[in-house]
Amino acid sequence: KQEVTQIPAALSVPEGENLVLNCSFTDSAIYNLQWFRQDPGKGLTSLLLIQSSQREQTSGRLNASLDKSSGRSTLYIAASQPGDSATYLCAVRTLEETSGSRLTFGEGTQLTVNP
Amino acid sequence: SAVISQKPSRDICQRGTSLTIQCQVDSQVTMMFWYRQQPGQSLTLIATANQGSEATYESGFVIDKFPISRPNLTFSTLTVSNMSPEDSSIYLCSVGEGTEAFFGQGTRLTVV
Repeated sequence: KQEVTQIPAALSVPEGENLVLNCSFTDSAIYNLQWFRQDPGKGLTSLLLIQSSQREQTSGRLNASLDKSSGRSTLYIAASQPGDSATYLCAVRTLEETSGSRLTFGEGTQLTVNP
Repeated sequence: SAVISQKPSRDICQRGTSLTIQCQVDSQVTMMFWYRQQPGQSLTLIATANQGSEATYESGFVIDKFPISRPNLTFSTLTVSNMSPEDSSIYLCSVGEGTEAFFGQGTRLTVV
């Protein structure tokens, strides 16, 4: 059974800092990995999708890397801003015989960027 | 990308009542997924809804408690039945099979 762990659970940084969020997963046979942002009480916004054959994806100030063999992904946020404050979720998709595929979520990293 | 509209965005309900959550997608999709996010927790899949067939429920979730409808390829509903305070959660619908997953804005349910 796939398990996804995110470290740290919470992070507080001053505005302007570069930061790294970590995600690890137990089964390396993944189809893809996706990073999401969730604002309090809201739904999920997709940030980056990395296919299993890819090593990294970039969007603006965000960069996500994937090391499938070691079961790790990182989300790098450059020059953080107060508007980046949210919970960041990592989700891993694995293929399954019966259900097609399954998305397994980590518990998230709650990020606070202080002005 | 898919745009998903979910209604209501939030509700406060009395215990013992039921609430139906609607999910509308701007394109036709084969599967729609319903998740629950309990306070301080991550997302747990409730069920997968295919058009024209019964939903497939995950372990720990049953149709009597969470009946799902999927009348066409762009719409689904999830009902939370006979609610108790333990049902207070965010409920989310999602699309995207084998590709990028997209989520609705979520329904924040409080049962009093």
